[in-house]
Amino acid sequence: EPEVTQTPSHQVTQMGQEVILRCVPISNHLYFYWYRQILGQKVEFLVSFYNNEISEKSEIFDDQFSVERPDGSNFTLKIRSTKLEDSAMYFCASRTGTSGGQETQYFGPGTRLLVL
Amino acid sequence: GENVEQHPSTLSVQEGDSAVIKCTYSDSASNYFPWYKQELGKRPQLIIDIRSNVGEKKDQRIAVTLNKTAKHFSLHITETQPEDSAVYFCAANPTGRRALTFGSGTRLQVQP
Repeated sequence: EPEVTQTPSHQVTQMGQEVILRCVPISNHLYFYWYRQILGQKVEFLVSFYNNEISEKSEIFDDQFSVERPDGSNFTLKIRSTKLEDSAMYFCASRTGTSGGQETQYFGPGTRLLVL
Repeated sequence: GENVEQHPSTLSVQEGDSAVIKCTYSDSASNYFPWYKQELGKRPQLIIDIRSNVGEKKDQRIAVTLNKTAKHFSLHITETQPEDSAVYFCAANPTGRRALTFGSGTRLQVQP
């Protein structure tokens, strides 16, 4: 069964550094998402992406964040200048887009980001 | 925006007992309600979902009920097993928004 994949699985960075988290969504899916989960807390929506542009974003997704689909398979999340509070597990998710939002979102295994 | 409340935060049951987790949502336009199971350090995995045109859905030991009038939905796990131990998240998808809003999670512990 196809799965969403993410790299790296873990990333440690210094405060103020830029990080890029990578995701490969399921190949026939049209909608892509980034969520984050601070340790022990709930999953929070960051941004969704469709047709090569952001379709919606949360208040968490400020100017420090950006997303890109540089080629036909990868979907990336960039944090320009990391802060301590960016430490979290970042999940990528994708869905087919065939049922108006009422279909399963499949999650990747996550990237655990630690900002020191 | 949508707000999803989930209770209880922790639930401990004996193996073989039933477990019930409840969620309420605020946006009456929400029409899709998935439940995810997350084991420690792993990705959330969908276990069951329900759409607003039905009131109940069952898949083996797992069932979900939806009350649109009261804006709440519940997960029922029967004949619990130790491998059911995990954190369970409910979520809602407001029409037109299409990103999931998650509840705060329930840590289920099934005691053998």
